[in-house]
Amino acid sequence: DSGVTQTPKHLITATGQRVTLRCSPRSGDLSVYWYQQSLDQGLQFLIQYYNGEERAKGNILERFSAQQFPDLHSELNLSSLELGDSALYFCASSNRDRLNEKLFFGSGTQLSVL
Amino acid sequence: TQLLEQSPQFLSIQEGENLTVYCNSSSVFSSLQWYRQEPGEGPVLLVTVVTGGEVKKLKRLTFQFGDARKDSSLHITAAQPGDTGLYLCAGALYGGSQGNLIFGKGTKLSVKP
Repeated sequence: DSGVTQTPKHLITATGQRVTLRCSPRSGDLSVYWYQQSLDQGLQFLIQYYNGEERAKGNILERFSAQQFPDLHSELNLSSLELGDSALYFCASSNRDRLNEKLFFGSGTQLSVL
Repeated sequence: TQLLEQSPQFLSIQEGENLTVYCNSSSVFSSLQWYRQEPGEGPVLLVTVVTGGEVKKLKRLTFQFGDARKDSSLHITAAQPGDTGLYLCAGALYGGSQGNLIFGKGTKLSVKP
């Protein structure tokens, strides 16, 4: 158990819909990262928050947004969903934002867009 | 274009055999990490290598970072069924943020008893 909690574990929805994925980092961790894992692209970095503020952006679509709340949990919002958005979405956390700091990954949310 | 190429993509071996997984790039990384991922779970960090030419050992696993910091290898000695899983390498680019790792697509290892 990594200590990172992601809900829900599975999500099935239709094209055009909007969903929210939730992540609770390890106790004391200030940084939260979101990744998308698909069969053809592998694991892709989406976005990072540190202590409530956006720290880095990766290959995140404009239809996707995220935030980190004062209690440090984070939400990833996916809107106008397309079939190609079907993937595993992982949240990871780390204590700070220092180089080579260890990332702890949650078990992921499997999103299926039908 | 995948920045980090892993090979082989799939590997099926018998218990007791040795194997090597490769991770190659044309880019230079400040550090490189190896993860193992099991079905239904997130990746778990095995090791971080930061110095060109560095070799790290973790029981039967040996990790090497290339001298030019563009490639890495993972060697497993006397593989066991418990080693089965998806092995991912991930590189941190110079100037990138901590979490903005570039992942390879992984090597799916199956060790049969």
